[in-house]
Amino acid sequence: DQQVKQNSPSLSVQEGRISILNCDYTNSMFDYFLWYKKYPAEGPTFLISISSIKDKNEDGRFTVFLNKSAKHLSLHIVPSQPGDSAVYFCAASEGDDKIIFGKGTRLHILP
Amino acid sequence: DAGVIQSPRHEVTEMGQEVTLRCKPISGHDYLFWYRQTMMRGLELLIYFNNNVPIDDSGMPEDRFSAKMPNASFSTLKIQPSEPRDSAVYFCASSSRTSGGNEQFFGPGTRLTVL
Repeated sequence: DQQVKQNSPSLSVQEGRISILNCDYTNSMFDYFLWYKKYPAEGPTFLISISSIKDKNEDGRFTVFLNKSAKHLSLHIVPSQPGDSAVYFCAASEGDDKIIFGKGTRLHILP
Repeated sequence: DAGVIQSPRHEVTEMGQEVTLRCKPISGHDYLFWYRQTMMRGLELLIYFNNNVPIDDSGMPEDRFSAKMPNASFSTLKIQPSEPRDSAVYFCASSSRTSGGNEQFFGPGTRLTVL
């Protein structure tokens, strides 16, 4: 039973346009959410996070939005660049030390 | 500064053999996590330690899997005997609560193939 769901296995976006990656969760006790980025043959690297007390967090080209009522978060990348092509994992935690990951979405930035 | 170090990077073994994966966390981090990544199940948490003590091993698939952390700078994940369905990429990650948030830092992974 997946608590963190990324329903789109892959996404293709034109370079320079906005990339929107979506994530849904089922556990209403989750209070902290993270996005990780993974290149082939490397471990995931932390990208951006958001606490449940906020609905938006921005870091450069990356913005994460949280809709608690819908149990939904999204990652926006503007503008998309070739180096953004990677697998993006959504993750969540409920105050303890472990985090639960989604299965990931592979983002392809097209030239 | 070195990140999380894992060895070996690749391991090919035959069914029934013992496999030992190794991890050195970032110095000063007090949490260590072992994950397994497969196409079907994504990134699964197997076990994690706090201050060298196992806290939650509910993700360990079966008794063939065991993990130890004898000191703050070293951990092992052992599979004995190994089976073809254990083929996956195994990641180790570490974190520190004092740095705030739950951000974990991952190693490059060990790609295990069991023939």
